[in-house]
Amino acid sequence: GQNIDQPTEMTATEGAIVQINCTYQTSGFNGLFWYQQHAGEAPTFLSYNVLDGLEEKGRFSSFLSRSKGYSYLLLKELQMKDSASYLCAVDGKAGNMLTFGGGTRLMVKP
Amino acid sequence: NAGVTQTPKFQVLKTGQSMTLQCAQDMNHEYMSWYRQDPGMGLRLIHYSVGAGITDQGEVPNGYNVSRSTTEDFPLRLLSAAPSQTSVYFCASSYSAQGGYEQYFGPGTRLTVT
Repeated sequence: GQNIDQPTEMTATEGAIVQINCTYQTSGFNGLFWYQQHAGEAPTFLSYNVLDGLEEKGRFSSFLSRSKGYSYLLLKELQMKDSASYLCAVDGKAGNMLTFGGGTRLMVKP
Repeated sequence: NAGVTQTPKFQVLKTGQSMTLQCAQDMNHEYMSWYRQDPGMGLRLIHYSVGAGITDQGEVPNGYNVSRSTTEDFPLRLLSAAPSQTSVYFCASSYSAQGGYEQYFGPGTRLTVT
């Protein structure tokens, strides 16, 4: 089966750094995605990891450890507009079929 | 490009009614999929298609039908609506059915079944 865990909620301060963790247990692995979803809107793509290590894209970075079944999304220099839900999704078998975690709702405070 | 479009944006149905949620994309994407999103449960895959004429079931297919007669369109049919189908439905498309390609999501349809 597929199991993906993320914290339900996190709070951080504007300008700070926050790390959102995701652990997964899946029957197969072809890559891990992070999506951002603002309230009432559609998810939008943030990052994709298929090999171990850190992928950096501006203020956002994503890390993957396949042996540990673990990923994190790192957000630097937090802005108020970063308040959103962050969804971890695993492509568990070939064919782009994603299994999503429940999402982490991040609240950024002034 | 309009990207992925969905209609309607909101819908209220009575138990037992049927309806079709429309989804279209203008990016010539091979892969299309339907998800439902319920509070605390994340997105769950209902059905997906890897090309015109090819569809398959996802994690929660019961009570839903799909067809893919063209590359652009991927409608989702609710056969006999039930209150458990109250949810937000997202259609998504991706360049390829191969892994690693990001999915583009439509704006969603908010469905309430009374």
